[in-house]
Amino acid sequence: KNQVEQSPQSLIILEGKNCTLQCNYTVSPFSNLRWYKQDTGRGPVSLTIMTFSENTKSNGRYTATLDADTKQSSLHITASQLSDSASYICVVRETGANNLFFGTGTRLTVIP
Amino acid sequence: DADVTQTPRNRITKTGKRIMLECSQTKGHDRMYWYRQDPGLGLRLIYYSFDVKDINKGEISDGYSVSRQAQAKFSLSLESAIPNQTALYFCATSGNRVSNQPQHFGDGTRLSIL
Repeated sequence: KNQVEQSPQSLIILEGKNCTLQCNYTVSPFSNLRWYKQDTGRGPVSLTIMTFSENTKSNGRYTATLDADTKQSSLHITASQLSDSASYICVVRETGANNLFFGTGTRLTVIP
Repeated sequence: DADVTQTPRNRITKTGKRIMLECSQTKGHDRMYWYRQDPGLGLRLIYYSFDVKDINKGEISDGYSVSRQAQAKFSLSLESAIPNQTALYFCATSGNRVSNQPQHFGDGTRLSIL
């Protein structure tokens, strides 16, 4: 069964600290994996996409990694800011049928 | 102005009522989607459309219907609302026939069925 699991479910960190969010998937065949940020009361917004051949990709203070062999991805946030408080959703696309599989998200709270 | 606009943003109604949620987009995308989001669950696809008058069922289409009469508009209807349809509903669009394009989401409609 195609699934996407994220951990932790929620996380509280101090402003300025780093954190890492995890995404494990069983989707096959794999096309790509995308991380979205969803602010409270808003729709998700794409942060980055990882394809099969990519191991690491950065977008400012956000760095995503992908291990296609173990079917794991992580999103690392450096020097967190209050504005990073949001839910982060991992979405995996299946090749062929082109289906999308959504994780349940990690709720990140950054406190001063 | 937002690229993907959903109306209304909030709606409270009673069981048995007919409800329509509207979505309009200015991105020029052919593909449009309706999702619902519930606490503790990932986004789940209700219906999607790849072109005007093209309608496809998603994972949880029972109890819902959609209409795509124009490229820029995609509406979702609940013919007879029930309490377990209380949820946050999102409309999204995506680029045409390119699998690595992101989906662009509206800011959601919070629907409560009493």
